Amino acid sequence: KQEVTQIPAALSVPEGENLVLNCSFTDSAIYNLQWFRQDPGKGLTSLLLIQSSQREQTSGRLNASLDKSSGRSTLYIAASQPGDSATYLCAVRLPYAGNMLTFGGGTRLMVKP
Amino acid sequence: KAGVTQTPRYLIKTRGQQVTLSCSPISGHRSVSWYQQTPGQGLQFLFEYFSETQRNKGNFPGRFSGRQFSNSRSEMNVSTLELGDSALYLCASSLAGAGVYGYTFGSGTRLTVV
Repeated sequence: KQEVTQIPAALSVPEGENLVLNCSFTDSAIYNLQWFRQDPGKGLTSLLLIQSSQREQTSGRLNASLDKSSGRSTLYIAASQPGDSATYLCAVRLPYAGNMLTFGGGTRLMVKP
Repeated sequence: KAGVTQTPRYLIKTRGQQVTLSCSPISGHRSVSWYQQTPGQGLQFLFEYFSETQRNKGNFPGRFSGRQFSNSRSEMNVSTLELGDSALYLCASSLAGAGVYGYTFGSGTRLTVV
């Protein structure tokens, strides 16, 4: 059974810092990995989607990497801003589990002005 | 283009009642999935529909059911509500069933059972 873990569970940083969020998964046979952002009480906003054949994806100040062999992905946020405060979730999609996403528990990020 | 639309946004129901939640996917998307999010269990997969057929089901009791219509809109029904069913219910749509497509989520329906 696929397990997805995100460490740390919570993170507080001053504005302007570069930071890395971690996601690990136990089964490396993934289709893809998706990073989401969730604001309190809201739905999920897709940030980046990495296919199993890719090593990284970039969007603005965000960069996500994928290392299937080690079962890890990182989300790098450059020059963090208070507006980046949210919970960040990673989810993997497995070829043998239909289209089900397996989510990590999330990292709650607070960027202080 | 319009995103994934979930209605209603908020619901308060009494134990024992039933509830129906609605999800309209992005135009052209044929895959619709439902997830339950609670503080204790996080995000858990309920089921997925593709072209009106349920293709995958999570580990939830039979009180949770769903369906998809020919226009890809989906509904989820929970019968005999329990306090533990209080959660944020999220719907996600995808262009097709292939693994290369990511999911787009709606804003969710917050269900409170009292």
